[in-house]
Amino acid sequence: DGGITQSPKYLFRKEGQNVTLSCEQNLNHDAMYWYRQDPGQGLRLIYYSQIVNDFQKGDIAEGYSVSREKKESFPLTVTSAQKNPTAFYLCASSLSLGQGDRGANVLTFGAGSRLTVL
Amino acid sequence: GDSVTQMEGPVTLSEEAFLTINCTYTATGYPSLFWYVQYPGEGLQLLLKATKADDKGSNKGFEATYRKETTSFHLEKGSVQVSDSAVYFCALTRYSSASKIIFGSGTRLSIRP
Repeated sequence: DGGITQSPKYLFRKEGQNVTLSCEQNLNHDAMYWYRQDPGQGLRLIYYSQIVNDFQKGDIAEGYSVSREKKESFPLTVTSAQKNPTAFYLCASSLSLGQGDRGANVLTFGAGSRLTVL
Repeated sequence: GDSVTQMEGPVTLSEEAFLTINCTYTATGYPSLFWYVQYPGEGLQLLLKATKADDKGSNKGFEATYRKETTSFHLEKGSVQVSDSAVYFCALTRYSSASKIIFGSGTRLSIRP
């Protein structure tokens, strides 16, 4: 079955360390996204990528970085510059407009990675 | 700017009770509206959607009707089950791309056996 795989599911980090969260999809989706989820809040967009080798900042990109070297992969690095990194991180993907208009605004999510800074 | 407002949770119901989770929105034009569900320890998954006024989205016994006159998209189910316990998110976008989706804050639903 196609889907999105996020790893690790749980991650602990000391202050000052960078960590990288993995996101892999086999849905043949062009577009991929990273969201942050905090208790009692909706999802906030960190970065997104519509195509390989291109990505754009979302609403809360400060302290994060991404790369998109392959269509299937969109890793997120939480840097030491992120002031409050403890959160649940969700990766998602969607069709792009170039893959057909129907469903291009529907997201498929991975199971998430929970990062705790000690 | 565009926004989504959901009723605050948690909502606790007994099994077989009727469910309503309120969602209202602010947006110009005719946004597409969505309900996503997040089961414990998992990511979100699309529950249903509606793309124009008076459309009714439905899935797994859940329904929501796009009401332009009241800018609402309330989620309903006639008889809830313990397995419906989850967090429900209302969302909207005015765009064809998923990069501009706006999510509500989520409503936690707990069903007692």
